[in-house]
Amino acid sequence: GQQLNQSPQSMFIQEGEDVSMNCTSSSIFNTWLWYKQDPGEGPVLLIALYKAGELTSNGRLTAQFGITRKDSFLNISASIPSDVGIYFCAGRLTDSWGKFQFGAGTQVVVTP
Amino acid sequence: DGGITQSPKYLFRKEGQNVTLSCEQNLNHDAMYWYRQDPGQGLRLIYYSQIVNDFQKGDIAEGYSVSREKKESFPLTVTSAQKNPTAFYLCASVPVGGERQPQHFGDGTRLSIL
Repeated sequence: GQQLNQSPQSMFIQEGEDVSMNCTSSSIFNTWLWYKQDPGEGPVLLIALYKAGELTSNGRLTAQFGITRKDSFLNISASIPSDVGIYFCAGRLTDSWGKFQFGAGTQVVVTP
Repeated sequence: DGGITQSPKYLFRKEGQNVTLSCEQNLNHDAMYWYRQDPGQGLRLIYYSQIVNDFQKGDIAEGYSVSREKKESFPLTVTSAQKNPTAFYLCASVPVGGERQPQHFGDGTRLSIL
């Protein structure tokens, strides 16, 4: 199955900086999800988006469902050391019951 | 606490051997999924099941088999036909009526070849 295009692949940032990553596709989605995964652990859901243009926050995290329904972005503001991990997106096609496509992930490294 | 439990955490397979990965959930979720995760790649769907006694192949089902005899359980068998089984395997589930609900994941099983 097709995978989503997620960028950047990795980011090395200093504590306090903002982080931005995005996922794009040529397909149209009706749901976008953003997960965080720590090494050796399962992904944890951060934000779920269900409508084009929707902007949702979860603490220092903000995600948006692109108006074309083909993309989504995630911002992390004022990063802290515990933000380290792999962040990845998942999108559900409009005609695909309960099945998601996934991005390859953005590895975030935060230095003090 | 409700959740998805995968076991074992680490598993080693000898050549020619079948191994079974366990996934149990007590969330009363209808649908369950198995994914394979390789470095630098997105999750790839192996099998999924929407209801008991029914399951469908995903994108990379060859060399794998599943069963869904109980709502709570969705074990994955990695058969000897899977020539490159080394990966991190993730199980997920979706709530009742969860056509657009997010998937919740277990903590994964890392499978390696001896």
